Amino acid sequence: QKEVEQNSGPLSVPEGAIASLNCTYSDRGSQSFFWYRQYSGKSPELIMSIYSNGDKEDGRFTAQLNKASQYVSLLIRDSQPSDSATYLCAVNWDYGQNFVFGPGTRLSVLP
Amino acid sequence: DAGITQSPRYKITETGRQVTLMCHQTWSHSYMFWYRQDLGHGLRLIYYSAAADITDKGEVPDGYVVSRSKTENFPLTLESATRSQTSVYFCASSELGVKSSYEQYFGPGTRLTVT
Repeated sequence: QKEVEQNSGPLSVPEGAIASLNCTYSDRGSQSFFWYRQYSGKSPELIMSIYSNGDKEDGRFTAQLNKASQYVSLLIRDSQPSDSATYLCAVNWDYGQNFVFGPGTRLSVLP
Repeated sequence: DAGITQSPRYKITETGRQVTLMCHQTWSHSYMFWYRQDLGHGLRLIYYSAAADITDKGEVPDGYVVSRSKTENFPLTLESATRSQTSVYFCASSELGVKSSYEQYFGPGTRLTVT
């Protein structure tokens, strides 16, 4: 059974701070990793995808992947109240249909 | 550019009735997926399709039927709805191709209540 784990939160950070969201996965063969943002009552929205060890930056978002530790993280710099949402980590191991989503971490950015 | 749409957005039905949720995408993506999202369980895959006329079961397929006669449509049918199928249903799609294109994109969801 392939599993993806995240702290459920809520994670509260002050406006302007760095929010750090973590995700671990059970299958060493996992190949693709994704972060989604989901606002309450809305559908998941893709933020970042990462496939290789190391960091990938996109604006205020940085995804970090460490396959040896089976760990992927998302850093949000200069957090804004509009970043308050649930962040879902997803892992894929066959470049296709088999995604497993983590339960999500609820982030609250306090003004 | 409509992307991926779902209908209806909200549905209330009675136990035992048949319900069909529709999903339509305009990207010509090969892969399409149906998920349900429940508190305490997160997103769980019900069925997926790699192409027209090719479907396969996901994690929680019992009580659901899918078909895919056209690339752009992927309807999900609850043959005899039960209260445990009360949930939010999301359709998603992704493209078959180079590694970086396996990202899934979600529709707006259908909130289904079975009374």
